[in-house]
Amino acid sequence: SAVISQKPSRDICQRGTSLTIQCQVDSQVTMMFWYRQQPGQSLTLIATANQGSEATYESGFVIDKFPISRPNLTFSTLTVSNMSPEDSSIYLCSLGQGAEAFFGQGTRLTVV
Amino acid sequence: DAKTTQPPSMDCAEGRAANLPCNHSTISGNEYVYWYRQIHSQGPQYIIHGLKNNETNEMASLIITEDRKSSTLILPHATLRDTAVYYCIVRVGGKTSYDKVIFGPGTSLSVIP
Repeated sequence: SAVISQKPSRDICQRGTSLTIQCQVDSQVTMMFWYRQQPGQSLTLIATANQGSEATYESGFVIDKFPISRPNLTFSTLTVSNMSPEDSSIYLCSLGQGAEAFFGQGTRLTVV
Repeated sequence: DAKTTQPPSMDCAEGRAANLPCNHSTISGNEYVYWYRQIHSQGPQYIIHGLKNNETNEMASLIITEDRKSSTLILPHATLRDTAVYYCIVRVGGKTSYDKVIFGPGTSLSVIP
């Protein structure tokens, strides 16, 4: 199975600033996904990131707020822009490989 | 993706079988039933998936009804480490295709000593 490294594991940020979360995979994968998990809630898909094309965002998420980069088949970043306390969540990257989905351990973000 | 319905919470005694139900009455012919779990403060973990036949692996068994409208995940001998939120998901799957995973609220399973 694929190994996913996500950085940072946690951070505390000031409102109005931006944070970029990195996701590194130990093998080449076509499709990567970013999720948000708000406190006490299930995971919500933010966007799908394919290498060489713009990310596809789910309803309720926009590129200006959550810009995503996918420069190669092993790496992706998610930026949470102009943060507010409502952005305090766990952000997870995921990849598809064969029939399975694999998930990173997440980035726990607290906005103060 | 088809919607699934799961009970919000369940308890199970340690050492007993945990049977987690899932309804997916609108499942399409090319959609598989997948189960994931999320232990507190960790990323979701794949458990098992199936199309129409019952499946078993080292973690669990998956029983899918003949009409495919419901399924049950069975943890044969639950331990305290199985306490987690369990997600039942239907999606286009199989080894040659990949579809995004959309999570519902899941079932919070508590294994009690």
